[in-house]
Amino acid sequence: EPEVTQTPSHQVTQMGQEVILRCVPISNHLYFYWYRQILGQKVEFLVSFYNNEISEKSEIFDDQFSVERPDGSNFTLKIRSTKLEDSAMYFCASSLTSGRAGETQYFGPGTRLLVL
Amino acid sequence: AQSVTQLDSQVPVFEEAPVELRCNYSSSVSVYLFWYVQYPNQGLQLLLKYLSGSTLVKGINGFEAEFNKSQTSFHLRKPSVHISDTAEYFCAVSDNGGGSEKLVFGKGTKLTVNP
Repeated sequence: EPEVTQTPSHQVTQMGQEVILRCVPISNHLYFYWYRQILGQKVEFLVSFYNNEISEKSEIFDDQFSVERPDGSNFTLKIRSTKLEDSAMYFCASSLTSGRAGETQYFGPGTRLLVL
Repeated sequence: AQSVTQLDSQVPVFEEAPVELRCNYSSSVSVYLFWYVQYPNQGLQLLLKYLSGSTLVKGINGFEAEFNKSQTSFHLRKPSVHISDTAEYFCAVSDNGGGSEKLVFGKGTKLTVNP
């Protein structure tokens, strides 16, 4: 069964450094998402992406975050200058059609980011 | 704004016992409702979802959930659990009105099934 994959599984970085989290969505899916879960807190929506542009973003997704689909398979989340509070598990998800229609979002296993 | 409350952060049960994981939501619009499960070191996997129609929804692995609009609840149930059901379970909602694509999650319930 096709699945969403994410690399790396764990990343440790120094505060102020840039990180890029990578995701390979399910191949025929058109909508892509990033969520994060700070330890002990809820899974929170960050951004959705369709047709090579952001379709929706949360207030968490400020100017230090960016997303990109650099080729036909990868979907990346970049954090330009990491802060301690960016430490979290980051989940990528994809769906065949828009989540507005109740379409199932398929999640990857997550990247655990630790900012020191 | 939508929100989801999972009243129990941890639920320990014995194998073959029934279990109910509670989920309540609040929303000013109609919603779609989801239950996801996360096994250790894996991603979130959809168990079941309610879009419309019958309020009793059956999912994978013998789980079912009932949508109760008057009580704004979507509790997850299984009549007889297995050790392999040990995992974290997340309830989520999304906007039925077409206004948003995002899922809004609860904090999760850790189900531990003991022999």
